[in-house]
Amino acid sequence: AIQLTQSPSSLSVSVGDRVTITCRASQDIRRALAWFQQKPGGPPSLLIYDASRLEGWVPSRFSGSGSGTDFTLTISSLQPEDFATYFCQQMDSYPLTFGGGTKVEIK
Amino acid sequence: QVQLVQSGAEVKKPGASVKVSCKTSGDAYTNFYFHWVRQAPGQGLQWMGKINPSGRSTTYAETFQGRVTMTRESSTSSLSMELSGLTSEDTAMYYCARERDVFSSSSRLAYWGQGTLVTVSS
Repeated sequence: AIQLTQSPSSLSVSVGDRVTITCRASQDIRRALAWFQQKPGGPPSLLIYDASRLEGWVPSRFSGSGSGTDFTLTISSLQPEDFATYFCQQMDSYPLTFGGGTKVEIK
Repeated sequence: QVQLVQSGAEVKKPGASVKVSCKTSGDAYTNFYFHWVRQAPGQGLQWMGKINPSGRSTTYAETFQGRVTMTRESSTSSLSMELSGLTSEDTAMYYCARERDVFSSSSRLAYWGQGTLVTVSS
């Protein structure tokens, strides 16, 4: 199975900060990567697929980049509603696998 | 608005089986692939498997092979996931999730149920 390593596992930031989360795959997955946001008590919500394509509801402050084994999720200016846990997921092959998550907390 | 509504929380004893259901409206059900994903308390996400639009084909994660069965019932626009041989390590929130596009198996999990908490305890 393809392993995904996310970093950092947590970070404390302030509203307005720029946030960067990385996800590294154990093998080449081309651009087959998705990012999810999960708030406490709720299911994951799909933010980005195919490494950089935003779902329709996602604000433009979110962006994704990367290909092959190294990927990045960037939030250009963190808003109060963005405090959550973020997961990457590879879409390349089965079994689908997820990164360990990055918890974005208020500083 | 696509809504996936799952069955309520379950408490099971070790060795038992649990069946979790997921229901949606007809036009949000037909011709779509569905997946099941679980999340242990405070942990990450674990993919369990998927079922195709007809229900005749399933793909399970090797971890769950022999213990999981996924089915769908078109007459009620619902699907189910049954997990047998439960242990305390199966205590988790179980989610159903639907692909974004019709007939697509791209693994773009755009819609999720609210989750069903399964607790395994003696």
